[in-house]
Amino acid sequence: DADVTQTPRNRITKTGKRIMLECSQTKGHDRMYWYRQDPGLGLRLIYYSFDVKDINKGEISDGYSVSRQAQAKFSLSLESAIPNQTALYFCATGGQSRDTQYFGPGTRLTVL
Amino acid sequence: QQQVKQSPQSLIVQKGGISIINCAYENTAFDYFPWYQQFPGKGPALLIAIRPDVSEKKEGRFTISFNKSAKQFSLHIMDSQPGDSATYFCAASGSFNKFYFGSGTKLNVKP
Repeated sequence: DADVTQTPRNRITKTGKRIMLECSQTKGHDRMYWYRQDPGLGLRLIYYSFDVKDINKGEISDGYSVSRQAQAKFSLSLESAIPNQTALYFCATGGQSRDTQYFGPGTRLTVL
Repeated sequence: QQQVKQSPQSLIVQKGGISIINCAYENTAFDYFPWYQQFPGKGPALLIAIRPDVSEKKEGRFTISFNKSAKQFSLHIMDSQPGDSATYFCAASGSFNKFYFGSGTKLNVKP
């Protein structure tokens, strides 16, 4: 089984809809991150969490919210989706040593 | 403002050639510089990383060169193979544990 899983893998939705992307990990890491990937822009940090009670905004948090339900689960919500939120979304985890981040397989989100 | 600038955006190299990808940063608080490799349909995976106390790190065919005074670092792929075709991201991190990624380089190694 994969260490970092994301659901759904693909989602098409309409403008104004609320969407939740879920991330689960079995690596036992405290640190979890949400990124979005756009062509030519690379990976940009949306939110990050260093433990269940610690959640921080990243570079591009506007229009997004998160919930850290447990050490192993970190969800990203789009309260009212808009077309420019169409992107590939990645969840990642990291250990205390911060030497690396482990990425999930990604969720491709299309907002029509 | 992009914290890490990466070039080129795309790169075509013949099999057996050397692939070179460059990155530059401004924040002198960064002290960890990883490179990630991403294949289509997959998440990025750590390839190799360097800290600024050394100027070069080599792992197999992959080498990071680091120039602290110029605030630049680069990835060299020696004897490039078609299996190396992927998107490569440089990144930088400081003690605050946030990672800033470059815009990515799509490498195509032709047989």
